[in-house]
Amino acid sequence: GAGVSQSPSNKVTEKGKDVELRCDPISGHTALYWYRQSLGQGLEFLIYFQGNSAPDKSGLPSDRFSAERTGGSVSTLTIQRTQQEDSAVYLCASSPRHNNEKLFFGSGTQLSVL
Amino acid sequence: DAKTTQPTSMDCAEGRAANLPCNHSTISGNEYVYWYRQIHSQGPQYIIHGLKNNETNEMASLIITEDRKSSTLILPHATLRDTAVYYCIAHGSGNTGKLIFGQGTTLQVKP
Repeated sequence: GAGVSQSPSNKVTEKGKDVELRCDPISGHTALYWYRQSLGQGLEFLIYFQGNSAPDKSGLPSDRFSAERTGGSVSTLTIQRTQQEDSAVYLCASSPRHNNEKLFFGSGTQLSVL
Repeated sequence: DAKTTQPTSMDCAEGRAANLPCNHSTISGNEYVYWYRQIHSQGPQYIIHGLKNNETNEMASLIITEDRKSSTLILPHATLRDTAVYYCIAHGSGNTGKLIFGQGTTLQVKP
């Protein structure tokens, strides 16, 4: 597709379960970002990738959160042992290269932890 | 990145120009001013960015003061679809890639 694609669009899980969120960036975009947005709040940076490496993981809230990117394309954000406070919209963005701050965002994954 | 300050909310009549201010008094020489907006239930959308000259594109105009301590985003003819949260971000090209989004300005365009 032409834009950033995220799946699933909605995910409901039980507390303590693991979840995986997927992001397909725009083809050819080397930089990829993950943010999350809790209800009524601003965007919180989580991690960014340049190619397959993650130079900045400073926003990951705990060691339950991890992310990887393979082939310089698809990225997966994994949350282990989910907690209710993990409920949020998880947004992925890509840009043509690092330090090009024209980011293209997907529509996000709404995660609800019961 | 320099801190930015925006009003929490603004109203604008449909068809009129919407002027959204942003203060960034501590901006440094290599920091650009970026504007994004987020329509309800969507991801943020890039609007425009500039360094020191005024910029215009198909979506908006960006006016940056000569001392670069503030800027204004102008939507020349606001429509109901422009109702959104508008984020002003100061970011240096040499800094790590992450953009820090503040609380933004909620613009309500009214009929």
